[in-house]
Amino acid sequence: EDQVTQSPEALRLQEGESSSLNCSYTVSGLRGLFWYRQDPGKGPEFLFTLYSAGEEKEKERLKATLTKKESFLHITAPKPEDSATYLCAVQAPGANSKLTFGKGITLSVRP
Amino acid sequence: NAGVTQTPKFRVLKTGQSMTLLCAQDMNHEYMYWYRQDPGMGLRLIHYSVGEGTTAKGEVPDGYNVSRLKKQNFLLGLESAAPSQTSVYFCASRLAGAPETQYFGPGTRLLVL
Repeated sequence: EDQVTQSPEALRLQEGESSSLNCSYTVSGLRGLFWYRQDPGKGPEFLFTLYSAGEEKEKERLKATLTKKESFLHITAPKPEDSATYLCAVQAPGANSKLTFGKGITLSVRP
Repeated sequence: NAGVTQTPKFRVLKTGQSMTLLCAQDMNHEYMYWYRQDPGMGLRLIHYSVGEGTTAKGEVPDGYNVSRLKKQNFLLGLESAAPSQTSVYFCASRLAGAPETQYFGPGTRLLVL
């Protein structure tokens, strides 16, 4: 059974204090790993897709990396507007393959 | 493009009542999904569809039915609502081929009393 564990459950940072969010996964052959951002009362918003170990992707203050067992979402010099819940999901091989989501990490950035 | 839209945004039901949630997408996506999101749990797949006229069960299908009569619409039905179905429901869609990114709607909050 595919499993995704995100840690920590919640993270409070001071503005400008860089940190990383962790996503550990167990899947029989990774087809893709997805990061989403979710603001309160809204639907998840797509951030990144990673396909193979060693791959990295960046968007503004966010950088996602992937190994064979986990993915990290690095946040550099965060701002209050980066406060949100960050979701990680994995996709196993196979036609019509579905996403398995973690419980999410709630990030709060204080000014 | 509006992307993925969901109707209604919020609904209160009494136990035993029925209702239908509507998801619409204007991106010509083949695949559509219904998820539920509960506190302390990740998004869980209820049902999905890989094309017009086809549906399949996800992780938590019991108590729900779906229909995909038109490519752009995916309906989620609750025939006899139960308090355990109190949740936030999200619809998502994606292309059949790469990239396989799912795009989500804004959600429907459902309270069953």
